[in-house]
Amino acid sequence: DQQVKQNSPSLSVQEGRISILNCDYTNSMFDYFLWYKKYPAEGPTFLISISSIKDKNEDGRFTVFLNKSAKHLSLHIVPSQPGDSAVYFCAARGSGAGSYQLTFGKGTKLSVIP
Amino acid sequence: IAGITQAPTSQILAAGRRMTLRCTQDMRHNAMYWYRQDLGLGLRLIHYSNTAGTTGKGEVPDGYSVSRANTDDFPLTLASAVPSQTSVYFCASSNEGSSTQYFGPGTRLTVL
Repeated sequence: DQQVKQNSPSLSVQEGRISILNCDYTNSMFDYFLWYKKYPAEGPTFLISISSIKDKNEDGRFTVFLNKSAKHLSLHIVPSQPGDSAVYFCAARGSGAGSYQLTFGKGTKLSVIP
Repeated sequence: IAGITQAPTSQILAAGRRMTLRCTQDMRHNAMYWYRQDLGLGLRLIHYSNTAGTTGKGEVPDGYSVSRANTDDFPLTLASAVPSQTSVYFCASSNEGSSTQYFGPGTRLTVL
């Protein structure tokens, strides 16, 4: 059973517009969420995170929103740039001592069109 | 500071052969992880280690083994490779108390 779901395998957005990437989770014990960005032939790099006690976290052009009741989070990129074209992974961490493990979604490939 | 290094960058391997993927970090992170990335399946955890001397199984551990003799190194061994182990393998690490994992550049493994 997939606990972290990214239902859109791909997304195309025009440069300058907003990109919205979505992620749903099923495990109510998840208490921390992260977004990673991955370019081809490179390892994933950490982008932004949010704790379950918050509903929004912002870092420059990137904002993550968390709706706990809906078990849904989204990553907004405004304005989108061609360099944002990459695969984005949503990840979640379970609560409890020593729970460093993350569960990843399958990823969404974002293409920003110049 | 290199962060996390992985070797080799890529490898083609005959089925049945033994292979060890190397991972070294210089950040003194307590925890280390091995993932495989397959098209349409995302990142799946193979094995992890919360601290030197301890290891644990992830989501897809079968056919793989790990060891953690010290803080910096976390090798992944395929005792007898099979074609289904063709994948891109990523090593990652995180500091104690932090959920942010830092990834290496990956090893692309092809088993024929």
